[in-house]
Amino acid sequence: DAGVTQSPTHLIKTRGQQVTLRCSPKSGHDTVSWYQQALGQGPQFIFQYYEEEERQRGNFPDRFSGHQFPNYSSELNVNALLLGDSALYLCASSLGRGAKNIQYFGAGTRLSVL
Amino acid sequence: GQQVMQIPQYQHVQEGEDFTTYCNSSTTLSNIQWYKQRPGGHPVFLIQLVKSGEVKKQKRLTFQFGEAKKNSSLHITATQTTDVGTYFCAGPIQGAQKLVFGQGTRLTINP
Repeated sequence: DAGVTQSPTHLIKTRGQQVTLRCSPKSGHDTVSWYQQALGQGPQFIFQYYEEEERQRGNFPDRFSGHQFPNYSSELNVNALLLGDSALYLCASSLGRGAKNIQYFGAGTRLSVL
Repeated sequence: GQQVMQIPQYQHVQEGEDFTTYCNSSTTLSNIQWYKQRPGGHPVFLIQLVKSGEVKKQKRLTFQFGEAKKNSSLHITATQTTDVGTYFCAGPIQGAQKLVFGQGTRLTINP
């Protein structure tokens, strides 16, 4: 039973570029949440996708967008990259979108913006 | 906005000593979750507490949820080197369906 998988594991971009990160949820899960984790900080909620729609959003600008596909996998897109976007991006899946549902995290994508 | 605060930010102990991290919310939480993140790893779910005053144990780990459901603690008895990592608490924003994580307590252990 595959857990949450994310790709790529590492990425280096320059300011102004765009990036797409991918996530496949744990088998049987239908909800995907994305988090940004800066070094030494806790994960910060970006948004959550359920039934192919964005259901909740954290305090992130519109440069951050996403998508969920019919197979529940998800993408996170970040446009016009800034140096401050350098972080570990974590995808978490759950069964259902309630905050009581346990989040299963992937290994993350480490994004470096130069 | 709602905040979840953890103290201490860092804790260094000798192997065999006990360790406690505290989590405080500015508002009442419907539940609280604890996660552990090993160095270079990702957060892994440890436990969820739902009831006021609830206490749960996992081997050497004891988790408590405060009576007012605004604070929680994680206590590790007789730490081992495998306990190294950052421990996060997380609670849902009231009325919403997203988790707010504390900034974590990083535990290092001197063998």
